[in-house]
Amino acid sequence: AQTVTQSQPEMSVQEAETVTLSCTYDTSENNYYLFWYKQPPSRQMILVIRQEAYKQQNATENRFSVNFQKAAKSFSLKISDSQLGDTAMYFCAFMNPSGTSYGKLTFGQGTILTVHP
Amino acid sequence: KAGVTQTPRYLIKTRGQQVTLSCSPISGHRSVSWYQQTPGQGLQFLFEYFSETQRNKGNFPGRFSGRQFSNSRSEMNVSTLELGDSALYLCASSLVSRVEQYFGPGTRLTVT
Repeated sequence: AQTVTQSQPEMSVQEAETVTLSCTYDTSENNYYLFWYKQPPSRQMILVIRQEAYKQQNATENRFSVNFQKAAKSFSLKISDSQLGDTAMYFCAFMNPSGTSYGKLTFGQGTILTVHP
Repeated sequence: KAGVTQTPRYLIKTRGQQVTLSCSPISGHRSVSWYQQTPGQGLQFLFEYFSETQRNKGNFPGRFSGRQFSNSRSEMNVSTLELGDSALYLCASSLVSRVEQYFGPGTRLTVT
């Protein structure tokens, strides 16, 4: 079974600074996807970024980028130029797109990020 | 394009009752997955439906069930409610690839 671990329950950052959220995972699969989701106080989960395991290049979406280390099973999220609207709970998630694992996301425990003005 | 919608947004039920939650996916999405979110257990996968068939199921008792209709709308049902069923129930929809999931706003269920 796959597991996802986020070791930072809470983090804080000053507006306009950069912050990195950590995530490690455990799997014996070679083909999988990794995601970061954001859940602001409104509770709506928003997909931030996705990474395919077979791609060596790290995914980037505007101010959000990942550092994907497949051998180390590490998948961190870097938020540059932090904004007040980035305040939210961030979840790292894993999916193995095969067989009965299709459609199932396995989530980490989440990291609460607070951006201070 | 409209996002995933869930109804109702809030629900209060009594122990022993049953409840039905509804989820309408993004137009064109054929897969719907359901998750339970609680402070203690975090986000846990309940089940996934694709083309009206349950394709995957999480580790939840049989009191939790669901179905999907031909228009891809999905419902989940919880029978004989327990206090521990109080949670935020999230549904997510995805295209045929069933990889990238888009979430609805959730239904907050409180069991008293």
